[in-house]
Amino acid sequence: DAKTTQPPSMDCAEGRAANLPCNHSTISGNEYVYWYRQIHSQGPQYIIHGLKNNETNEMASLIITEDRKSSTLILPHATLRDTAVYYCIAANNNDMRFGAGTRLTVKP
Amino acid sequence: DAGITQSPRHKVTETGTPVTLRCHQTENHRYMYWYRQDPGHGLRLIHYSYGVKDTDKGEVSDGYSVSRSKTEDFLLTLESATSSQTSVYFCAISRTLAAADTQYFGPGTRLTVL
Repeated sequence: DAKTTQPPSMDCAEGRAANLPCNHSTISGNEYVYWYRQIHSQGPQYIIHGLKNNETNEMASLIITEDRKSSTLILPHATLRDTAVYYCIAANNNDMRFGAGTRLTVKP
Repeated sequence: DAGITQSPRHKVTETGTPVTLRCHQTENHRYMYWYRQDPGHGLRLIHYSYGVKDTDKGEVSDGYSVSRSKTEDFLLTLESATSSQTSVYFCAISRTLAAADTQYFGPGTRLTVL
């Protein structure tokens, strides 16, 4: 699996967009970019994933650069309940490797 | 949320005792996984199953065994628990292994081995 690099922590104001970056410069052609989050000690929650096109669902948007070496998860209107650790994974579905992630704190 | 339950949710046991954790799914997904999560290590794969009675080892399988006699249940057994197995254990499921698919996680079991 490709190694990913994420900032250890970020803050965001409530109601503003949260943009979480991820570098995956060694991603291979058949690996997807997955995003999960973990709120406190709950199980990881799937957010979104994509191969090369930008993706959007009811939770977030995923922007993948054309060279696929980096991506950004966008939470369009962050709420206090979005405070969590966000994990970016570049992998195939059957071999997920979770790193340390980014701890996002949404502040009022 | 995917229909995944784990039992027990919390357990305290003593070194040397056997422990079995259960993962139950109602999604009829073929693939099931057991992970452990420890500070500084993220989630690490212990074992996974690709069908009834079909299992394989993951990254940190020593000291653990698994069984899957039904599609919906995946059991993780610590034959003789050690303090190093104190951790939070997560079960995950996946419908396929296709790269376009993904894994969904259960709520976790917090195990403390004294």
